[in-house]
Amino acid sequence: TQLLEQSPQFLSIQEGENLTVYCNSSSVFSSLQWYRQEPGEGPVLLVTVVTGGEVKKLKRLTFQFGDARKDSSLHITAAQPGDTGLYLCAGVHGATNKLIFGTGTLLAVQP
Amino acid sequence: DAGVTQSPTHLIKTRGQHVTLRCSPISGHKSVSWYQQVLGQGPQFIFQYYEKEERGRGNFPDRFSARQFPNYSSELNVNALLLGDSALYLCASSPLAGVAQYFGPGTRLTVL
Repeated sequence: TQLLEQSPQFLSIQEGENLTVYCNSSSVFSSLQWYRQEPGEGPVLLVTVVTGGEVKKLKRLTFQFGDARKDSSLHITAAQPGDTGLYLCAGVHGATNKLIFGTGTLLAVQP
Repeated sequence: DAGVTQSPTHLIKTRGQHVTLRCSPISGHKSVSWYQQVLGQGPQFIFQYYEKEERGRGNFPDRFSARQFPNYSSELNVNALLLGDSALYLCASSPLAGVAQYFGPGTRLTVL
């Protein structure tokens, strides 16, 4: 059972546009991670957010953890074709340290 | 430095057979986790091993088993394969039993 819902599921945009991906849950997580996965490869960790309300920036990517630690967002500014991939959020349950992955957002950036 | 390696990269089996997937963690990493990723979905947690002991198990049937060896490499075994077991099986390693996960490229299993 997926406890983390991501939206949108699919996103196709033009190079230079901005976008936001959302990751929502009814559960509280001790931390939340964002990964990017390209075809034929495993997910690659982009960032870990730990504190409610935390904002982290990675070049053109901005990650935010909700105040209640139940949701998160990923904002990409001026998207580039190299940003194309499957974006996955993953919540960490504090008691078990298990990673619970979201449903994924498939992003395609057209040149 | 080598990342997480998995073998084989692709595998085709028929229903009822069993399969063994292998994973070598990043050098120095003592924790290995296994995930199943069905096409179009996020990975689902199967097992975590740390220092050769099972530290966590996901909601998978007993047909799935795993073990970790003294060199920290790991095997995932699946018995009595079903069509629904077709998926990408991912292995991830981390230095401790924490959650900083480094994923391998996965093994694509197809069950016919």
